[in-house]
Amino acid sequence: EAGVVQSPRYKIIEKKQPVAFWCNPISGHNTLYWYRQNLGQGPELLIRYENEEAVDDSQLPKDRFSAERLKGVDSTLKIQPAELGDSAVYLCASSSYLAGETQYFGPGTRLLVL
Amino acid sequence: TQLLEQSPQFLSIQEGENLTVYCNSSSVFSSLQWYRQEPGEGPVLLVTVVTGGEVKKLKRLTFQFGDARKDSSLHITAAQPGDTGLYLCAGAKTGNQFYFGTGTSLTVIP
Repeated sequence: EAGVVQSPRYKIIEKKQPVAFWCNPISGHNTLYWYRQNLGQGPELLIRYENEEAVDDSQLPKDRFSAERLKGVDSTLKIQPAELGDSAVYLCASSSYLAGETQYFGPGTRLLVL
Repeated sequence: TQLLEQSPQFLSIQEGENLTVYCNSSSVFSSLQWYRQEPGEGPVLLVTVVTGGEVKKLKRLTFQFGDARKDSSLHITAAQPGDTGLYLCAGAKTGNQFYFGTGTSLTVIP
């Protein structure tokens, strides 16, 4: 069974530019998460989807961040415009009620904003 | 908001030593997970503990969930260089809500 797929793995952009990250969760997983992780720290939730509905986006900086999960499968996270402080690893994870309370993570996208 | 505090934040030990990582919160969780993350990769699940007071052992790793389901510990016996990584605890609440700890970076020196 394929794991969580993320792309790109690395991205370097200049500040004020837009950037987008893509995630394909494990097949059948209805819950999808986007996290931001700074070096050496724990991931911080940005948004959680149940199928196509965003059920928790309280930590998403909505002035510059947006996300979508059309059709309740893969998802895109966008930043526009990017700021220096957005440099981090963006992790996607998925889970399913049928699989118990377990998240499965993708490898992450490492973003560097110059 | 990170509800879980881990200690220590950094740990550097010699191969063969024992260590314990703590994960504490004032909140109750329905379950708690421990992950290990290596550079350039996403976190990988090590264990899930569900019952208050539960103890699980995976080879040299022992995980304990507090009686009140608010805290947990990870004990590693005879640490090896391959144990090096970032250890993360994550508490789950109903509805597939997860809250990660602040992380413990472990380095095991050969």
